[in-house]
Amino acid sequence: DGGITQSPKYLFRKEGQNVTLSCEQNLNHDAMYWYRQDPGQGLRLIYYSQIVNDFQKGDIAEGYSVSREKKESFPLTVTSAQKNPTAFYLCASSFQGLGQPQHFGDGTRLSIL
Amino acid sequence: QQPVQSPQAVILREGEDAVINCSSSKALYSVHWYRQKHGEAPVFLMILLKGGEQMRHEKISASFNEKKQQSSLYLTASQLSYSGTYFCGTAPDKAAGNKLTFGGGTRVLVKP
Repeated sequence: DGGITQSPKYLFRKEGQNVTLSCEQNLNHDAMYWYRQDPGQGLRLIYYSQIVNDFQKGDIAEGYSVSREKKESFPLTVTSAQKNPTAFYLCASSFQGLGQPQHFGDGTRLSIL
Repeated sequence: QQPVQSPQAVILREGEDAVINCSSSKALYSVHWYRQKHGEAPVFLMILLKGGEQMRHEKISASFNEKKQQSSLYLTASQLSYSGTYFCGTAPDKAAGNKLTFGGGTRVLVKP
């Protein structure tokens, strides 16, 4: 079955540590996105990529980095510069063009030890 | 700028109707609607494009008022499965493509 896989489901970070969240899709989608969701709030865009080897900052990119070396993969690194990383992180993908729905993974919940 | 959703929360009895609004201070070109159950991924419901038709998903429909820069989601004859948080995601123009800005969500609880 086609879909988006995020791993791990739960992740714990120590102070000063970088951690990487995995996102893989087999839907043949061109575009991929990373969102952050805080309790009781909406989704905020961290980074997005419309094509391999290219990505753009979203609204809250500070303290995060991404890469898009393969069409299927869009990993997100939460760096030590992100002082408040505790949140629910959602990865999504879609076809290019207007009016294309975004398909979401099941998310990774990141907490600070 | 983030679109504003109203109400923030609504409680319904099974079979009742509700309306959720999504308003933007900017012009809207497209509006996406998603529903998220607690601890799960958001699930796509429908997309409305400027100048497009009103859309439906089962007994949920939505409209797009370009002049008011607002979209409304109509939950008709609500079912228990309609419970969850509804989010609208908006794009101001064609150039934005699918780069969406999401509202803060509306929590819906449908009781038996």
